Amino acid sequence: AQTVTQSQPEMSVQEAETVTLSCTYDTSESDYYLFWYKQPPSRQMILVIRQEAYKQQNATENRFSVNFQKAAKSFSLKISDSQLGDAAMYFCAYRSGNFGNEKLTFGTGTRLTIIP
Amino acid sequence: DTGVSQNPRHKITKRGQNVTFRCDPISEHNRLYWYRQTLGQGPEFLTYFQNEAQLEKSRLLSDRFSAERPKGSFSTLEIQRTEQGDSAMYLCASSLEGRQLAYEQYFGPGTRLTVT
Repeated sequence: AQTVTQSQPEMSVQEAETVTLSCTYDTSESDYYLFWYKQPPSRQMILVIRQEAYKQQNATENRFSVNFQKAAKSFSLKISDSQLGDAAMYFCAYRSGNFGNEKLTFGTGTRLTIIP
Repeated sequence: DTGVSQNPRHKITKRGQNVTFRCDPISEHNRLYWYRQTLGQGPEFLTYFQNEAQLEKSRLLSDRFSAERPKGSFSTLEIQRTEQGDSAMYLCASSLEGRQLAYEQYFGPGTRLTVT
């Protein structure tokens, strides 16, 4: 079974600074997808960024980028120019590439606080 | 596209009562997922549907839980004889198979269940 570990329960960053959230995972599969989801307080979970395991290039979405280290099974999220609206719980998630096994396996989350 | 909706948003019930939650996915999505999220944890997979067919059920889904998706549209999750341990946020997500973004799951706002 796949597992996802987020070792930072809480992180804080000054507004406009850069912060990196860590995630490691364990799998024996070679084809899979990794995601970062954001869950603001009392609001629904939204996708921040995704990475296909077969792609060597790290995914980027505006101020959000990942550092995907496949051999180390590491998938960190970097948020540049942090904004107050980035405050939320961030969840790292894994999805198998096998057809019919599309459920997401989540980590325990990192609560990100933005300091004005 | 109005997003994934869930009703009710909050439910308080007494131990031993039955409860039913409803999820309306994004209209063209053929896959629908149920997850459960307890305080301080990431969401955990419960079950998912491909159209009206329930394809996988987690071991977390005891015999007291049943889910349906009649006609492949909305879905209901019923919990019979609720227990205090059932208190959690129940999340629904949907996705579309066969398109480029087939692996993105869109989440609803969740139903928070409190069993007293």
